[in-house]
Amino acid sequence: AQTVTQSQPEMSVQEAETVTLSCTYDTSENNYYLFWYKQPPSRQMILVIRQEAYKQQNATENRFSVNFQKAAKSFSLKISDSQLGDTAMYFCASTPGNDKYIFGTGTRLKVLA
Amino acid sequence: KAGVTQTPRYLIKTRGQQVTLSCSPISGHRSVSWYQQTPGQGLQFLFEYFSETQRNKGNFPGRFSGRQFSNSRSEMNVSTLELGDSALYLCASSRDSNSNTEAFFGQGTRLTVV
Repeated sequence: AQTVTQSQPEMSVQEAETVTLSCTYDTSENNYYLFWYKQPPSRQMILVIRQEAYKQQNATENRFSVNFQKAAKSFSLKISDSQLGDTAMYFCASTPGNDKYIFGTGTRLKVLA
Repeated sequence: KAGVTQTPRYLIKTRGQQVTLSCSPISGHRSVSWYQQTPGQGLQFLFEYFSETQRNKGNFPGRFSGRQFSNSRSEMNVSTLELGDSALYLCASSRDSNSNTEAFFGQGTRLTVV
């Protein structure tokens, strides 16, 4: 079975600092995609960043970047210059083959003023 | 452009009852997926509909069912409710059913079974 593991249930970071959220996954597929979604207290999930497994270059979106290690099946999210609005649950997800998202259990990130 | 709309936002039901939740996707999106979110199990995939056909199904009992209408709106139904069905039910819409397509989530329906 495909699995996504987030080993950090909670993390905190000082405003303007950098934080890295960990994610590992297990898949036998060759073609898959990886995502980080953010769920603020308002509950609406929004896409943070997306990585295509066949692309070696790490994806970046402004302050958000990933460290994708395909051989290790690792997909960590780095948030630079953390802002109070980054406080949220962060979910790592994979879409193996044609299946829909398989989510990790989430990491609750708190940005401290 | 309106986002994904889920109704109702909150629902309280009694064990044994049935419930229907509704999801209106973003205009032009043809794929609708449903997820159950609980503190213990996290986010779990229920099913996906594309062009009125169920395309994928997660590992949930037959009490959980869904459908999609010609306008892409979707409903999910849970019959014979159990206490463990209490959860946040999230709907997500996508332009198509490709696995690399971004999903846009609604705010969810909070179901409480008493």
